[in-house]
Amino acid sequence: DIVMTQSPDSLAVSLGERATINCKSSQSVLYSSNNKNYLGWYQQKPGQPPKLLIYWASTRESGVPDRFSGSGSGTDFTLTISSLQAEDVAVYYCQQYYSTPFTFGPGTKVDIK
Amino acid sequence: QLQLQESGPGLVKPSETLSLTCTVSGGSISSTSYYWAWIRQPPGKGLECIGSISYSGSTYYNPSLRSRVTISVDTSKNQFSLKLSSVTAADTAVYYCARVKEMSTMYDAFDIWGQGTMVTVSS
Repeated sequence: DIVMTQSPDSLAVSLGERATINCKSSQSVLYSSNNKNYLGWYQQKPGQPPKLLIYWASTRESGVPDRFSGSGSGTDFTLTISSLQAEDVAVYYCQQYYSTPFTFGPGTKVDIK
Repeated sequence: QLQLQESGPGLVKPSETLSLTCTVSGGSISSTSYYWAWIRQPPGKGLECIGSISYSGSTYYNPSLRSRVTISVDTSKNQFSLKLSSVTAADTAVYYCARVKEMSTMYDAFDIWGQGTMVTVSS
């Protein structure tokens, strides 16, 4: 199984400041034949299902604010919230869909400082 | 737009079988080539993929659960279902159904999720 790790476990950022979450996979999730990274990012608020934010490591899902961006390739990835808003308080998960079983990271909790 | 809704008992006794259904509304399971999945989340913990099924019935199960899991699809009811046998307290979780984003492949992100249903395993 591909093991996904995230850092930090939690972070507190002031409103309007940048939040950066890191995700690392135990093996590459880059498929060489199409040059796509099989990596997604989700946001989960309390009592709600996860919401897809980013897929293919850097493609923003329709309707997701452009302050959310994804980057990285191979085994190291980053989710950046460029200007944190109050409604961004949530747990964020990365997920690989490169090989089965698809696995999620343990999550990073984002709060307001 | 497409919506998913889980349903089933909220309490299951140890050693019994957990049975859940996901009803798809706003679109037809049989008219599109999507894969559909079950994912669970124990209280206060992370997410685990249980398995997936295509509109035609092709299935994939997480090896950690394969011996106990069955996922099926009923296109006439626009539903797909999960059965998990011989449950223990470790199977207590919120169970979500979800759609795989891209048609004709299971290798993609989950773009539409149900609200989830809490299942507790207890006598």
